[in-house]
Amino acid sequence: DIVMTQSPESLAVSLGERATINCKSSQSVLDSSSNKNYLAWYQQKPGQPPKLLIYWASSRESGVPDRFSGSGSGTDFTLTISSLQAEDVAVYYCQQYYSIVPFTFGPGTKVDIK
Amino acid sequence: QVQLQESGPGLVKPSETLSLTCSVSGGSIRTYYWNWIRQSPEKGLEWIGYIYNSGRTNYNPAFKSRVTMSADASRNQFSLRLSSVTAADTAVYYCARASAGGLLGYWGQGTRVTVSS
Repeated sequence: DIVMTQSPESLAVSLGERATINCKSSQSVLDSSSNKNYLAWYQQKPGQPPKLLIYWASSRESGVPDRFSGSGSGTDFTLTISSLQAEDVAVYYCQQYYSIVPFTFGPGTKVDIK
Repeated sequence: QVQLQESGPGLVKPSETLSLTCSVSGGSIRTYYWNWIRQSPEKGLEWIGYIYNSGRTNYNPAFKSRVTMSADASRNQFSLRLSSVTAADTAVYYCARASAGGLLGYWGQGTRVTVSS
């Protein structure tokens, strides 16, 4: 299985400030033939299911605010919230879909307001 | 707009079989990949498997000996059966739709299942 790790476990950021979450995979999720990274980011608010934010490591899902951005390649990835809003308080997960069996998720990073 | 809704017992006894159904509206289950994922504080998000083409399946090896998924295209529903459950199977169970690439774009609200006598 591809093991996903995330750091930090939690962070608190002031409103309007930048939040940065890191995700690392135990093996590369870059498909060299397509040059695509099979890495997604999800946001989960309390009592709700995860919501897809970013796919192919850096493509925003329709309707996702542009303050959310993803970057990275191979085994190291970052989700950045450029200007934290109150509604961004949530847990954020990365997921690899390079290896279908099984898909695997990171343990999550909790984002709070400082 | 695609909507998914899980249903099934919230309490299952140890050693019995957990059975859940996901009802889909706004799209046919004859296309895309229909997944079961569970979430617990101990294990986080765990992908259990998916069903596609109304009957072909792919399971997480961690569950393979205990899991069965099926689909009823006439009702636009798909189901999960997990046998020989233990307390470790206590979790919130989600159904979700994935594109061919494995992106989980639509999720149900989840249903909490507790394994206890």
